[in-house]
Amino acid sequence: GDSVTQTEGPVTVSESESLIINCTYSATSIAYPNLFWYVRYPGEGLQLLLKVITAGQKGSSRGFEATYNKETTSFHLQKASVQESDSAVYYCALGDGTGYQNFYFGKGTSLTVIP
Amino acid sequence: EAAVTQSPRSKVAVTGGKVTLSCHQTNNHDYMYWYRQDTGHGLRLIHYSYVADSTEKGDIPDGYKASRPSQENFSLILELASLSQTAVYFCATGTSNTEVFFGKGTRLTVV
Repeated sequence: GDSVTQTEGPVTVSESESLIINCTYSATSIAYPNLFWYVRYPGEGLQLLLKVITAGQKGSSRGFEATYNKETTSFHLQKASVQESDSAVYYCALGDGTGYQNFYFGKGTSLTVIP
Repeated sequence: EAAVTQSPRSKVAVTGGKVTLSCHQTNNHDYMYWYRQDTGHGLRLIHYSYVADSTEKGDIPDGYKASRPSQENFSLILELASLSQTAVYFCATGTSNTEVFFGKGTRLTVV
């Protein structure tokens, strides 16, 4: 089936350290998967962090980046130096690219950055 | 700025009671969605709608009804709330092939 698996949380990192949150997907019924990272800050709704709709491409935003790797079916989120303000829950999502864009979400990874 | 407003933000309901969660958008998006999130699970799609007066079943529609009386409003209805429906519910809007915009969520506790 179609699904997303991501790093189990919670994850705690010290400020200025590097971060990687792993995401792998299964898209057995989706011809052209679209991949997304959403972030939910405390008290807020989910908001788009970055998206990539073409295999082999990299998306980036706010110092985060992720590369759509079709061979390894992965879309890992990385940041070279995290800040305390990056503390949030991060969701990897797989979209089917159709008109109504059904999404398959990972369970979310809670990140705490220690100053 | 796109806006999706959910009400209430939290609610405690009694088992067997009726619960209505409301969602209002100012995005003028065609698509509206209701997701639920349980601890240890990703968001799962309950119902969605792509036009007023029409709703479609998502992946987990059992125990839920949806209503889209207008472009701007989309409600999720639990006719007989059960303990298993305790979760956080998210409304979202979008257009075809774009990102979706989420509300802040409604925390529902059924006791």
